[in-house]
Amino acid sequence: GAGVSQSPSNKVTEKGKDVELRCDPISGHTALYWYRQSLGQGLEFLIYFQGNSAPDKSGLPSDRFSAERTGGSVSTLTIQRTQQEDSAVYLCASSLELAGGPPTDTQYFGPGTRLTVL
Amino acid sequence: AQSVTQPDIHITVSEGASLELRCNYSYGATPYLFWYVQSPGQGLQLLLKYFSGDTLVQGIKGFEAEFKRSQSSFNLRKPSVHWSDAAEYFCAVVSFTGGGNKLTFGTGTQLKVEL
Repeated sequence: GAGVSQSPSNKVTEKGKDVELRCDPISGHTALYWYRQSLGQGLEFLIYFQGNSAPDKSGLPSDRFSAERTGGSVSTLTIQRTQQEDSAVYLCASSLELAGGPPTDTQYFGPGTRLTVL
Repeated sequence: AQSVTQPDIHITVSEGASLELRCNYSYGATPYLFWYVQSPGQGLQLLLKYFSGDTLVQGIKGFEAEFKRSQSSFNLRKPSVHWSDAAEYFCAVVSFTGGGNKLTFGTGTQLKVEL
């Protein structure tokens, strides 16, 4: 079946502009993660959604970053007033995590969105 | 806090040679460990994972990894490397702090294969 998809694949923006990154998870996957991959920081967790529960936002680097997940499916990561240090590849992953189940479910990653802030 | 160390940033091997990529973890309890591969312009693909049981884990594309608790290691191996294995490899451990199964990644090892 279809994997995780992300759009756009590339985004170039000017410093100070807002950007929205989209993630379509695998159908039926209840859990959705956002990660950021940058030269200076490597791969780092940003935010986690599980079903209708409140998201875990502990990895968001600043209040300029926010994310939502509508209808338990598609997710949008928004970065307001972008800065040059926001330049990175933003990866989305989804997994089938049943409540109370073991943490053994594979996270399936999308191809990422490469964000360049000029 | 949990952490993962991949001491080799770059490794170059000849096609057909054996490969071992090192991974060391720091985690208080029994770790849940993963190896992912990332080809240029691609997302991360799972190679294999370890949760419990047999400490030698078989994965896709002929890769295997061995969990050694005494050494806090989870090294990735392949007996004969193919040119198509050139990619970046990431070791990761699950973190249970907060919600979900967040992955903490190592810094990655870039593999170059010489023909």
